[in-house]
Amino acid sequence: KQEVTQIPAALSVPEGENLVLNCSFTDSAIYNLQWFRQDPGKGLTSLLLIQSSQREQTSGRLNASLDKSSGRSTLYIAASQPGDSATYLCAVCNNAGNMLTFGGGTRLMVKP
Amino acid sequence: NAGVTQTPKFQVLKTGQSMTLQCAQDMNHEYMSWYRQDPGMGLRLIHYSVGAGITDQGEVPNGYNVSRSTTEDFPLRLLSAAPSQTSVYFCASSYQGRAKNIQYFGAGTRLSVL
Repeated sequence: KQEVTQIPAALSVPEGENLVLNCSFTDSAIYNLQWFRQDPGKGLTSLLLIQSSQREQTSGRLNASLDKSSGRSTLYIAASQPGDSATYLCAVCNNAGNMLTFGGGTRLMVKP
Repeated sequence: NAGVTQTPKFQVLKTGQSMTLQCAQDMNHEYMSWYRQDPGMGLRLIHYSVGAGITDQGEVPNGYNVSRSTTEDFPLRLLSAAPSQTSVYFCASSYQGRAKNIQYFGAGTRLSVL
């Protein structure tokens, strides 16, 4: 059974810092990995999707990397802003492409 | 463009009552799914559908039923609510009948079972 772990569970940083969120998974037979953002009381918004054959994906100040063989992904946020405060979740898609398994999320607070 | 719409936003039930959580999408997505989110546990897949007339179980299907009679709608039924079903429920959809594509989520239904 696939298990996805995110460390740390919570993170507080001053504005302007670069930061890294971690995601690990136990079964490397994945189709892709997705990073999501969740604001309090809201649904999830997709940030980045990395195919299993890719090493990284970038969108603006966000960069996600994937090391499938070691079961790890990182989300790098450059020059953090208070508006980045949210919970970030990673999810891996199984090889059949029909199910996602989520991590518990990292709750990020960026202080002005 | 409405995207994925979930109703109701909030619901309180008594143990043993039944109800249906509604989910509708207007993007002509073939893949739809239901998750529950509990504190510290991330999201867990309840049921999913890869197209009209096709449904399958996810990680935590017990106590829940689904059907998919149209592409647009994917309701989740609780036949006899239990306190363990207190949670936030999210519906999601994606293109081409696969979870591997970008997922679009609804705003959620917060359910309390007393």
